[in-house]
Amino acid sequence: GAGVSQSPSNKVTEKGKDVELRCDPISGHTALYWYRQSLGQGLEFLIYFQGNSAPDKSGLPSDRFSAERTGGSVSTLTIQRTQQEDSAVYLCASSTWTSARETQYFGPGTRLLVL
Amino acid sequence: GQSLEQPSEVTAVEGAIVQINCTYQTSGFYGLSWYQQHDGGAPTFLSYNALDGLEETGRFSSFLSRSDSYGYLLLQELQMKDSASYFCAVRDQTGGYQKVTFGTGTKLQVIP
Repeated sequence: GAGVSQSPSNKVTEKGKDVELRCDPISGHTALYWYRQSLGQGLEFLIYFQGNSAPDKSGLPSDRFSAERTGGSVSTLTIQRTQQEDSAVYLCASSTWTSARETQYFGPGTRLLVL
Repeated sequence: GQSLEQPSEVTAVEGAIVQINCTYQTSGFYGLSWYQQHDGGAPTFLSYNALDGLEETGRFSSFLSRSDSYGYLLLQELQMKDSASYFCAVRDQTGGYQKVTFGTGTKLQVIP
């Protein structure tokens, strides 16, 4: 596709339920990022994939959060037993490097509301 | 750990020039990026500096001084549509792990 896409665009769930967020990066982009942005706040780095590998998971807020990427393309962020504090916009970005300069392209985000 | 500081709000007049500063503390510095985000929208990339100096892209320029752990975004010929939040972000690599840390953002208001 022309850009990074994310689904669903909006998700309302009940506390305690599991949710799965999907990111389709730009074709050919090997790097993929997940961020979280709470209302009126900056972006919080969650995890970075280079290919299918994410060597550092320390940015994930808790062990209820997990992420995977298969085939060097689509990535899913899973939140188990959701809590109200998980409510935020979850943004995915893929990136390309040109002349030692990285450009990240963001998807539109998934707005998650945990009731 | 990593930390970034940037002003929370800046107001400037249409047609003027505005500079948004960013200071950072990090180990394993890789590069400094700037992003624009309009209310309700996703961030869009503006610039990336890995080396000292000024990078110019149209009305926007970005500067980096690694020795001072400091950078800035310069917006010229301000337009009303430039009203948005601007985030600096540091990419670093330590122990083979890469990470991107964003500042809390500077809300720019352009007034007529």
